[in-house]
Amino acid sequence: AQSVSQHNHHVILSEAASLELGCNYSYGGTVNLFWYVQYPGQHLQLLLKYFSGDPLVKGIKGFEAEFIKSKFSFNLRKPSVQWSDTAEYFCAVIKGKLIFGQGTTLQVKP
Amino acid sequence: DTGVSQDPRHKITKRGQNVTFRCDPISEHNRLYWYRQTLGQGPEFLTYFQNEAQLEKSRLLSDRFSAERPKGSFSTLEIQRTEQGDSAMYLCASSLGAGESYNEQFFGPGTRLTVL
Repeated sequence: AQSVSQHNHHVILSEAASLELGCNYSYGGTVNLFWYVQYPGQHLQLLLKYFSGDPLVKGIKGFEAEFIKSKFSFNLRKPSVQWSDTAEYFCAVIKGKLIFGQGTTLQVKP
Repeated sequence: DTGVSQDPRHKITKRGQNVTFRCDPISEHNRLYWYRQTLGQGPEFLTYFQNEAQLEKSRLLSDRFSAERPKGSFSTLEIQRTEQGDSAMYLCASSLGAGESYNEQFFGPGTRLTVL
């Protein structure tokens, strides 16, 4: 079945560590990809998106993601995490509607 | 606040009762989406409207679920004869779009439904 997969369900890091969250999708053709974040007690908000062009996309709060078409991947990265990055992160593909992965909970220890 | 709003934020009901949720999108957005999120999962698509037309419904949306957007502005999602499995967070999102053009969806805070 076509889907979006996030490999890491729960990640625990110390402040200043580097972050990479995996996301793979199984849709062919043109794909538009998103990373959304949900901070504790807040609603989903967009971190970054890829529609076309440069496969390295920069988003808010120092996050970036790289679209690798041959690997069907769109991994999220941040060189140095902060305690305030503690949140749930969702990768999504848009095919009319958003199709989300199951999410990764990131816990950053101060 | 000009974001997406949802009402109520929390709803506790007994099995078999009907519930209705409301979503007010960002005013100029023509597309409105409903999603459902359960614990430990990403949001799952339920249905979407472009203006007042309901363009797509998920197979997740049983006959007990109905959604409307009568004037192309706010939308309601009704669940009839609620079951414990309906307990979830119901999310609304809105966006601008036309044809195959899809833009960022802005999400509301959600309505958390608990069916006892």
